[in-house]
Amino acid sequence: ELKVEQNPLFLSMQEEKNYTIYCNYSTTSDRLYWYRQDPGKSLESLFVLLSNGAVKQEGRLMASLDTKARLSTLHITAAVHDLSATYFCAVGGSSGSARQLTFGSGTQLTVLP
Amino acid sequence: DSGVTQTPKHLITATGQRVTLRCSPRSGDLSVYWYQQSLDQGLQFLIQYYNGEERAKGNILERFSAQQFPDLHSELNLSSLELGDSALYFCASSVSRGSMETQYFGPGTRLLVL
Repeated sequence: ELKVEQNPLFLSMQEEKNYTIYCNYSTTSDRLYWYRQDPGKSLESLFVLLSNGAVKQEGRLMASLDTKARLSTLHITAAVHDLSATYFCAVGGSSGSARQLTFGSGTQLTVLP
Repeated sequence: DSGVTQTPKHLITATGQRVTLRCSPRSGDLSVYWYQQSLDQGLQFLIQYYNGEERAKGNILERFSAQQFPDLHSELNLSSLELGDSALYFCASSVSRGSMETQYFGPGTRLLVL
């Protein structure tokens, strides 16, 4: 059974600081996703990582994937208040056309002024 | 706006009742996924349909069922509701572009069972 672990679960950080969220998963997968969720809202796709060593960046967020270590990271650079949200990593199933996602528990990020 | 629509947005009902949640995928998407988000279980995959056929099942209770219609919209039926079924239910649909397949999530239906 695929397990996805995120840490930390809660993260308070000051504006302009850097931090990293970690996502470990237990079995081989060919796809890893990062989503953002604002309170009471839906999930917004941030990144799709498909291969070992993949790195993607959008604004102050950068995601990377190490398939050998079964580890993905979401790095936040110079945080701003607008980044406050819950961030989920999700690992994609690889069985034929069954592509369900297994989610981590989420990291609730609060950026403090 | 992801292009995935879900109705209703909110639903309040009593234990033992039955409800139906509806989802319309993005135009052209053939796959529909249902997920449940609750405080104690987190985000869990329930079931996937692809072009009208069931493709994968996750942690879906026997009291729950789903179907996908010829126009590709999907319905999730929840019966004999219990307090613990209170949750946010998301529908997602996927675009296949080679090996890239992002799932786009709808706004969700918040179910409260009293």
